[in-house]
Amino acid sequence: EVQLVESGGGLVQPGRSLRLSCTVSGSTFGDYGMSWFRQAPGKGLEWVSFIRRNVYGGTTEYAASVKGRFTISRDDSKSIAYLQMNSLKTEDTAVYYCARGQYVADYWGQGTLVTVSS
Amino acid sequence: DIVMTQTPLSSPVTLGQPASISCRSSESLEHSDGNSYLTWLQQRPGQPPRLLIYKISNRFSGVPDRFSGSGAGTDFTLKISRVEAEDVGVYYCMQATQFPQTFGQGTKLEIK
Repeated sequence: EVQLVESGGGLVQPGRSLRLSCTVSGSTFGDYGMSWFRQAPGKGLEWVSFIRRNVYGGTTEYAASVKGRFTISRDDSKSIAYLQMNSLKTEDTAVYYCARGQYVADYWGQGTLVTVSS
Repeated sequence: DIVMTQTPLSSPVTLGQPASISCRSSESLEHSDGNSYLTWLQQRPGQPPRLLIYKISNRFSGVPDRFSGSGAGTDFTLKISRVEAEDVGVYYCMQATQFPQTFGQGTKLEIK
């Protein structure tokens, strides 16, 4: 059974940093690109970032709203995808979900809540 | 960016009756590989999103056959043949043909 578990969320002040982790089990991690999405309280879903498989160079994509502040990375030896979030803003407050795949996000984690507030 | 527009935004349905949700994209979702990466997701209250349909009409593993997807180009539809109580939630269409990946606003399905 494929499982994705996010961790690292919490309360952080504006301007500070946070790193989210997405640990994958039940799947050959290196065979898939990995995505991060988010959902602000009471709002819809928003794509945040994507990282390709290492065989494709591990290249990355970002939403305009986070480009230059967030960095996605992966550690295939640990089956973990990361989202480093710097210069956090109040509008980054959301539940962050990781998902497996690029063209088809087939498995999703339960999410981790990030609250940016002073 | 590709804009995804869903209608209706709210859909009260009687148990056992059909339901239909439309999704329109601002440009064609056909990828250079010939596929159209249009996905339907279900989000039950308090739960993460769950994949229902991918590439317009392919049901994901474990999804009941009362769910079906159709469409082409820029117009797509999710149909539930007979709504059950467990179908309550918000349904999103999503395009993954190009970055940034984008979502419809969501359609809230509720029981009358």
